[in-house]
Amino acid sequence: DQQVKQNSPSLSVQEGRISILNCDYTNSMFDYFLWYKKYPAEGPTFLISISSIKDKNEDGRFTVFLNKSAKHLSLHIVPSQPGDSAVYFCAAQEGGNKLTFGTGTQLKVEL
Amino acid sequence: EPEVTQTPSHQVTQMGQEVILRCVPISNHLYFYWYRQILGQKVEFLVSFYNNEISEKSEIFDDQFSVERPDGSNFTLKIRSTKLEDSAMYFCASSRLGTSGINYEQYFGPGTRLTVT
Repeated sequence: DQQVKQNSPSLSVQEGRISILNCDYTNSMFDYFLWYKKYPAEGPTFLISISSIKDKNEDGRFTVFLNKSAKHLSLHIVPSQPGDSAVYFCAAQEGGNKLTFGTGTQLKVEL
Repeated sequence: EPEVTQTPSHQVTQMGQEVILRCVPISNHLYFYWYRQILGQKVEFLVSFYNNEISEKSEIFDDQFSVERPDGSNFTLKIRSTKLEDSAMYFCASSRLGTSGINYEQYFGPGTRLTVT
């Protein structure tokens, strides 16, 4: 069941630059998308979300873009900071209720 | 800031034993969830719970699993007879609302690491 895919297992970015994390999905019934950040031995922490009726949502350094026709979303972090180093999960929801997660992308922000 | 809490942080049990994982969701949330993450794999949905009953469950959530809200604050996951393959991180989550076309973000607890030997 690969309804949500994150094809890049890892990403390395220099401090101050932009981090772009990508996510693709196959289920056209998904209507809500979320990004979570996860540190080792901790639970996923909610970052930002977007409804399928929008194509962009911004919150501080984090912006999520949704391209429904391509079934693609991305998370932009700018400027990237060392504390952003973590695993980032894309998740999708259909009509509320359960989340379907991607496999995650390990982001490393280097000094 | 309110948060979801889970106990214990780590549980070691022998195969065939029963375990109960405990969660205290955020107090004004109405929907509760259990997810698990087997080492190296993605986070997987197990079950959702609303108004004192299961609203959705995955194929993983078989007869060995059960959930309960025994009082106004706790939400528990019971595994009746643990198997080796039940070893995983188990995450509890809660949200203000879920279905009826209204989406709200889910907030996760820190997880319980279950090790079945």
